[in-house]
Amino acid sequence: DQQVKQNSPSLSVQEGRISILNCDYTNSMFDYFLWYKKYPAEGPTFLISISSIKDKNEDGRFTVFLNKSAKHLSLHIVPSQPGDSAVYFCAAPTNTGNQFYFGTGTSLTVIP
Amino acid sequence: ETGVTQSPTHLIKTRGQQVTLRCSSQSGHNTVSWYQQALGQGPQFIFQYYREEENGRGNFPPRFSGLQFPNYSSELNVNALELDDSALYLCASSSSTHYAGGQETQYFGPGTRLLVL
Repeated sequence: DQQVKQNSPSLSVQEGRISILNCDYTNSMFDYFLWYKKYPAEGPTFLISISSIKDKNEDGRFTVFLNKSAKHLSLHIVPSQPGDSAVYFCAAPTNTGNQFYFGTGTSLTVIP
Repeated sequence: ETGVTQSPTHLIKTRGQQVTLRCSSQSGHNTVSWYQQALGQGPQFIFQYYREEENGRGNFPPRFSGLQFPNYSSELNVNALELDDSALYLCASSSSTHYAGGQETQYFGPGTRLLVL
């Protein structure tokens, strides 16, 4: 069962512009949502998270928005930089917290 | 402080064989989780080990098994390999068995790419 979904396999953005990556989920019991970034030949690395009791969390150029009624979250990167080119996964841990559900990922390309 | 390492980096096996993948956790971490990432998919949780005991399992058959050693390194064993087992296998170590908000404490290794022919 796909509890976390990313429907856009790829996204291209010009350097300096905004990148918006989207994620949908089906389980309303998730307490947290996380975004990971993955470069080729490396493991995913944590980027930013949001609690289900919040609707926005910001860390530098990265902001995550959560819309619980729509079961939707998005990651905004402003301004986008070529070094942001990577695959981005959204993920949510189960209530016990030891198992993460991951989306299928969105490959972001930032064009210089 | 060393990061999470995995060996081997690549592996080719034939259907029906058995494989063992290894993971060295980050210093100070007592929890290891294993994930399978098939091509075009996101990582899927296989199981987690905490202090040498299995602490949660995803929807994988019993031919996927694991071990954790006293130094908290871990092995993933897959018996009777099938073509669909071809994937990137990721391990992640952490100092906690569960995520409780804030900065993530789960660190992933670079993975082992397994090809089953």
